[in-house]
Amino acid sequence: GQQVMQIPQYQHVQEGEDFTTYCNSSTTLSNIQWYKQRPGGHPVFLIQLVKSGEVKKQKRLTFQFGEAKKNSSLHITATQTTDVGTYFCMSPPFFGNEKLTFGTGTRLTIIP
Amino acid sequence: GAVVSQHPSWVICKSGTSVKIECRSLDFQATTMFWYRQFPKQSLMLMATSNEGSKATYEQGVEKDKFLINHASLTLSTLTVTSAHPEDSSFYICSARDLSGRVQETQYFGPGTRLLVL
Repeated sequence: GQQVMQIPQYQHVQEGEDFTTYCNSSTTLSNIQWYKQRPGGHPVFLIQLVKSGEVKKQKRLTFQFGEAKKNSSLHITATQTTDVGTYFCMSPPFFGNEKLTFGTGTRLTIIP
Repeated sequence: GAVVSQHPSWVICKSGTSVKIECRSLDFQATTMFWYRQFPKQSLMLMATSNEGSKATYEQGVEKDKFLINHASLTLSTLTVTSAHPEDSSFYICSARDLSGRVQETQYFGPGTRLLVL
């Protein structure tokens, strides 16, 4: 079955620095979703990417889906303390026999 | 690493029947487990928070009498969809929070259970 690897597992950055997390799949993904989970909270949906090479922006967050639809990235410009949390990608099952695949998540901590 | 299992992975049932889905944390104790539902092409939606030894906390719009949650042990939470109807057909995912004393908590997701109600 498909696997989604996410790197890095942890990232500590100074406030104001940029941050990027990457998801890589062994198989082509139908689409990919990104979630953010604040410490003590539950995952909150951020965005869904469907098209090959798609790029979407949400304020300081830039999401990209690779041309081959096997990788995706989330980039945060000029991090703020409110960005703290775990970011993970998820590939929802498209066909009936597929399983939902979550990336392992990247835990972001901000050093003030 | 920690693993969360779900059983069954697939279930097809007739309208009006009840379906039980199990969520187990395999190598850690989870005082809190979460149940999510995902409809096709939609994002994960939190249904309820399951707390070991106490009543679950349901999100707004989720019927607690229809989606019964039991968290009887530190490694098992169950979700029972009572009197299932076709509109309950969805992908149900659980997650478990690992608070084993490490520096940072980690939440692990189960592989999901696909429910199809005919």
